[in-house]
Amino acid sequence: NAGVTQTPKFRVLKTGQSMTLLCAQDMNHEYMYWYRQDPGMGLRLIHYSVGEGTTAKGEVPDGYNVSRLKKQNFLLGLESAAPSQTSVYFCASSYSIRFGELFFGEGSRLTVL
Amino acid sequence: AQSVTQPDIHITVSEGASLELRCNYSYGATPYLFWYVQSPGQGLQLLLKYFSGDTLVQGIKGFEAEFKRSQSSFNLRKPSVHWSDAAEYFCAVGAMGGYNKLIFGAGTRLAVHP
Repeated sequence: NAGVTQTPKFRVLKTGQSMTLLCAQDMNHEYMYWYRQDPGMGLRLIHYSVGEGTTAKGEVPDGYNVSRLKKQNFLLGLESAAPSQTSVYFCASSYSIRFGELFFGEGSRLTVL
Repeated sequence: AQSVTQPDIHITVSEGASLELRCNYSYGATPYLFWYVQSPGQGLQLLLKYFSGDTLVQGIKGFEAEFKRSQSSFNLRKPSVHWSDAAEYFCAVGAMGGYNKLIFGAGTRLAVHP
């Protein structure tokens, strides 16, 4: 049972380049989330999804887009990367509609030069 | 707006010593409160959670936390720290609007001396 898997784990981009982070979960969870983690700021919610075909904005959605075409996958896209998007990105999933446990992936470290 | 404050950025304790990590929250109603732990290079793992009922909750790895409404606090404790407890610890509060939207504190990094 792999849980939550993120790919790639590391990536270096130049300003203006685009990329997609993939999150896959094998627990049949309805709810999926993308967070970014920056030193001294904890985790901040970028976008989330409450089911296949749905997405919603979190605290810091600007510069990111997401898609949930399949229940098990949640994609995070950067159309034109900026140095401010240098961060560690975490995907999480959950089975409960209200405050069940979040299961996290191991993170994807993105550097934008 | 909901917020979480972890006053201590770094804490160092000796192995075998007791530990208390502080967490204060701001929330208009009864909060849902969580502690997560992040080992180096890993994702976050749930230690314990408080939804209602007994204000002293037990978690994994020998951790416990106490909810004190009067102090808006949810401090994490462990009677005797092990070297493997070195990690970063995050307190989180359930945000209004449901859908598991958690607001995280900035984290406390714990170092354990032998």
